[in-house]
Amino acid sequence: ETGVTQTPRHLVMGMTNKKSLKCEQHLGHNAMYWYKQSAKKPLELMFVYSLEERVENNSVPSRFSPECPNSSHLFLHLHTLQPEDSALYLCASSHGRANYNEQFFGPGTRLTVL
Amino acid sequence: AQSVTQLGSHVSVSEGALVLLRCNYSSSVPPYLFWYVQYPNQGLQLLLKYTTGATLVKGINGFEAEFKKSETSFHLTKPSAHMSDAAEYFCAVSDRDKIIFGKGTRLHILP
Repeated sequence: ETGVTQTPRHLVMGMTNKKSLKCEQHLGHNAMYWYKQSAKKPLELMFVYSLEERVENNSVPSRFSPECPNSSHLFLHLHTLQPEDSALYLCASSHGRANYNEQFFGPGTRLTVL
Repeated sequence: AQSVTQLGSHVSVSEGALVLLRCNYSSSVPPYLFWYVQYPNQGLQLLLKYTTGATLVKGINGFEAEFKKSETSFHLTKPSAHMSDAAEYFCAVSDRDKIIFGKGTRLHILP
């Protein structure tokens, strides 16, 4: 595998379910990101991890819980979601967290909350 | 805080015609500027970026963009559109230690 991979690609869940999204990067990067992409809205930065420490949490509801066990893996744990949480969730990574570094994106997980 | 405005959520051009996607930004400091492209069912991919130096930046797939400080613009162009250019394009600006994305412009190529 190369680049940034995300699993699953599609997920349908009820509001009472618990699920996790997985992201893996094979680029040797040390910063990883979760974004939410909704129709007709800009990409929303959710979380940033740098050197496996969470360095940014953009007022994301607690029903979203990130985890970064090592520099190559990033998880987003989901529980008691709402229908408005349905969106494409994108993972990205970069070499260092500086704002001039290119971010490499995974293909996303399309989440539908019923 | 920095912000990005992309004029036109949808743009249609004929195959072979000039592509022009507009991006204006607000920034209190010299910005870093980016264009990303998203093809269907894929993540975003960097087309080009401006950090310092030459204001005309060339990217992949024949795209280029020009940083115009006086107009706070970073418009994306391609001389001749190809069917494979149909995608969504995102302009982005640096904001301290993160990047702020615009809402995107979907480019349609007419045969």
